[in-house]
Amino acid sequence: EVQLVESGGGLVQPGGSLRLSCAASGFTFSTYWMNWVRQAPGKGPEWVANIKQDGSEKYYVDSVKGRFTISRDNAKNSLYVQMNSLRAEDTAVYYCARHDSSGTHFDYWGQGTLVTVSS
Amino acid sequence: QSALTQPRSVSGSPGQSVTISCTGTSSDVGGYNYVSWYQQHPGKAPKLMISDVSKRPSGVPDRFSGSKSGNTASLTISGLQAEDEADYYCCSYAGTHWVFGGGTKLTVL
Repeated sequence: EVQLVESGGGLVQPGGSLRLSCAASGFTFSTYWMNWVRQAPGKGPEWVANIKQDGSEKYYVDSVKGRFTISRDNAKNSLYVQMNSLRAEDTAVYYCARHDSSGTHFDYWGQGTLVTVSS
Repeated sequence: QSALTQPRSVSGSPGQSVTISCTGTSSDVGGYNYVSWYQQHPGKAPKLMISDVSKRPSGVPDRFSGSKSGNTASLTISGLQAEDEADYYCCSYAGTHWVFGGGTKLTVL
């Protein structure tokens, strides 16, 4: 059974940093593109970033470029996002999501971890 | 990287059909056949219902169907059931990134 379990969320002050983790199991992690998708309270999801199987390609939504860094450790079956210079508008539930093998949609999602940016 | 446009709400009685639209541009919905739809119940993660415009993943009832014309994609739910009441989101590939719709709340009357 595919499982994605996020951790690392919490309350952080504006300008602060946070690192989220996603532990994957039930599939061969190293063969899939992986994503971070966030959802602000009462809003639709927003794709944040994704990373190729070997980490050689990474893409970001414009609003986080230069502040967030996505990474992965295939030996540990884990996905990460380092979030720096956090802003109030980064407040959201952050989901780890797997691209399907064709890379055209998100077929599995974690339960999410809440990040709150507030003073 | 603008969000796709969905109606804020739709409603229908049990057994009826409803259609949810999702309008984008030629750079996203109109440019690729990579539109997907997700169902989200309160406090839960989104669940894939339709991929690649009209493909139904294993386990999704055939009451759910998808289509696309030009820059607008649609999700149709026929034979509405109480458990279909949820938020629905469309999503499209837009060339190196992905864009979601703002969501549609489906109420089963």
